[in-house]
Amino acid sequence: EPEVTQTPSHQVTQMGQEVILRCVPISNHLYFYWYRQILGQKVEFLVSFYNNEISEKSEIFDDQFSVERPDGSNFTLKIRSTKLEDSAMYFCASVWTGEGEQYFGPGTRLTVT
Amino acid sequence: TQLLEQSPQFLSIQEGENLTVYCNSSSVFSSLQWYRQEPGEGPVLLVTVVTGGEVKKLKRLTFQFGDARKDSSLHITAAQTGDTGLYLCAGEETSGSRLTFGEGTQLTVNP
Repeated sequence: EPEVTQTPSHQVTQMGQEVILRCVPISNHLYFYWYRQILGQKVEFLVSFYNNEISEKSEIFDDQFSVERPDGSNFTLKIRSTKLEDSAMYFCASVWTGEGEQYFGPGTRLTVT
Repeated sequence: TQLLEQSPQFLSIQEGENLTVYCNSSSVFSSLQWYRQEPGEGPVLLVTVVTGGEVKKLKRLTFQFGDARKDSSLHITAAQTGDTGLYLCAGEETSGSRLTFGEGTQLTVNP
C-alpha cells in the first residue's frame, strides 16, 4: 500500500542552525501539507502546497520557514534559523485531489538544543 | 479560527465495554476525519465523514457526522486492548483546505 515517507526520523540541531525536513508524498498525489505537533499538544497546520506554490499558510509559518518541491517526488520543509520552540514532531501529509483524505507520514522529531 | 473540542480527554475502560467519544465545534465543516495516533508516530486515517447525518461502520467502530456537520462521534463496541490509543478528529473547512485537529481522546482499554 502506498505511503508517505519522511526523513530523517529524528533530527537534533543547535539553535540558529538551518534544518531541512524531507517528505516523499504518495506518488500520484497533488496536494501536500506540513503540520507540527509540540509534545503533549495538538496537531497544528503549517502550510499547504499545490501546483508548485503555497496555497495556504498559518500564522506559525513565518519568514523562517519555506517549502519546496525540488523534483517530482520530494517535498521539503526548511527552517532557516531554528529556535528552541521549533522542537516538535513535523508531519507531512498528501492527498490526491482537493476532496480526498489526507494521509500522514510517520513524522520527523526535531529537537533544537 | 475554527476549534474542535474532543471529550472526554482521557477514558479508561475494561475490555468488552462500549464507549463513545465526541468531537464538537461551533463551526460547520465540509468533512470530518477520524485518526488514530500511536506515541511517536503519525496520525493514521480511520474514516472520513462528509454528509450531515452520515453513519459509517468499520468493524466495531461506528462513526457519525452530525446533521449540521458541526459535530461527530466515534462509538466502539466491545472494546479490546488493541483499541488503546489516541483518537483524533480533524475537520476540513473546505475541500483541500487545512485540517483543524482536536486535542484528542486518550483511550486505555484494560484487560
